[in-house]
Amino acid sequence: AQKITQTQPGMFVQEKEAVTLDCTYDTSDQSYGLFWYKQPSSGEMIFLIYQGSYDEQNATEGRYSLNFQKARKSANLVISASQLGDSAMYFCAMSRRSGGSYIPTFGRGTSLIVHP
Amino acid sequence: DVKVTQSSRYLVKRTGEKVFLECVQDMDHENMFWYRQDPGLGLRLIYFSYDVKMKEKGDIPEGYSVSREKKERFSLILESASTNQTSMYLCASSLGGTNKAYEQYFGPGTRLTVT
Repeated sequence: AQKITQTQPGMFVQEKEAVTLDCTYDTSDQSYGLFWYKQPSSGEMIFLIYQGSYDEQNATEGRYSLNFQKARKSANLVISASQLGDSAMYFCAMSRRSGGSYIPTFGRGTSLIVHP
Repeated sequence: DVKVTQSSRYLVKRTGEKVFLECVQDMDHENMFWYRQDPGLGLRLIYFSYDVKMKEKGDIPEGYSVSREKKERFSLILESASTNQTSMYLCASSLGGTNKAYEQYFGPGTRLTVT
């Protein structure tokens, strides 16, 4: 069975600084994906970034990067130059393939607050 | 833009009632998902569907059933609502196939209260 662990229930960061949100995972699958979602207080879930287990390079999307360390089974999200609008819940997730679908397992989330 | 809509933002039902939560997506996505979100527990997958009339159980299917008669619509059914089913319910969709199937588009959620 797959498991995602986010050990930081809450994080605080100063505006314009970088922040790392931790995520570790456990799986016996050889092929899997790792993603991060953002959920602002409005409740919408916003897809941020994806990393495949066979991807050699860390994924980046604008200010977001995924620090993928396969041997350590970690997939930390790094947000550079934090903005006030980054304040939200962040969920790490991993997926396994099932036919043409990716079936995700989500972590419990980390609440990020960006201070001005 | 992909749009996923859910029939209600807030719903209050009584214990024992049959409850229908509807989800519609307008991007011709093959995959559709139902989750429940509870504080401190993250999102947990209830059921998903990868094609019309096809469904598979997720991690917590007990007490729920689903229906997908048309590609764009995925319904979650609580056969006999109980107070422990009070939660936020999120619907999502994604493309099938190998490309972009991991990127899910979520609806705004339905906050269900069972009294």
